[in-house]
Amino acid sequence: GDSVTQMEGPVTLSEEAFLTINCTYTATGYPSLFWYVQYPGEGLQLLLKATKADDKGSNKGFEATYRKETTSFHLEKGSVQVSDSAVYFCALSDLGGGNKLTFGTGTQLKVEL
Amino acid sequence: GAVVSQHPSWVICKSGTSVKIECRSLDFQATTMFWYRQFPKQSLMLMATSNEGSKATYEQGVEKDKFLINHASLTLSTLTVTSAHPEDSSFYICSARARMAGDYNEQFFGPGTRLTVL
Repeated sequence: GDSVTQMEGPVTLSEEAFLTINCTYTATGYPSLFWYVQYPGEGLQLLLKATKADDKGSNKGFEATYRKETTSFHLEKGSVQVSDSAVYFCALSDLGGGNKLTFGTGTQLKVEL
Repeated sequence: GAVVSQHPSWVICKSGTSVKIECRSLDFQATTMFWYRQFPKQSLMLMATSNEGSKATYEQGVEKDKFLINHASLTLSTLTVTSAHPEDSSFYICSARARMAGDYNEQFFGPGTRLTVL
């Protein structure tokens, strides 16, 4: 079945540091890939997505590229801010699976001054 | 963006009682709603998918008689945990998918409900 593996947290960075959160996936079909963010006390929000190989999703300075050859969708940001502190979830949706979302375990990011 | 609310945000109940959690799409019509369960430091696990006006589809291993789902309107779905026990304590999250064209319809998530069964 489909699965998503992402790096364990928590990740603690200083403000303006470079961020990478690794995500790899296993899927039988050609999934769409997503990053969701959950700020404290709030619901998950879609951060970015990519629907086919080599697509790059981007939003709020975050980027992730759909790499079919390595089955990866790593999240990056060049300069993090304190306000980026949240839990980040990598997920996939496989049309063959009825568009259901399969999530990774989440990575907590803490950005300090 | 689209807003999904959940009520209550947290609930504590005695073992053996039933608890109802509401999920509402506030500014759009949700043809499909999803219910997830999240354990500490673990991923969201899909419990069931409900379409308005029809029976919910449960994932393997989820007891449909224990977790009753009703999707009575395009803006409301409810999850009732019947005869709750301490092992049902968890964080329950709903999401709603709007009626849209295209291959992918984004899910909008509620803030979650923390259930504690004593």
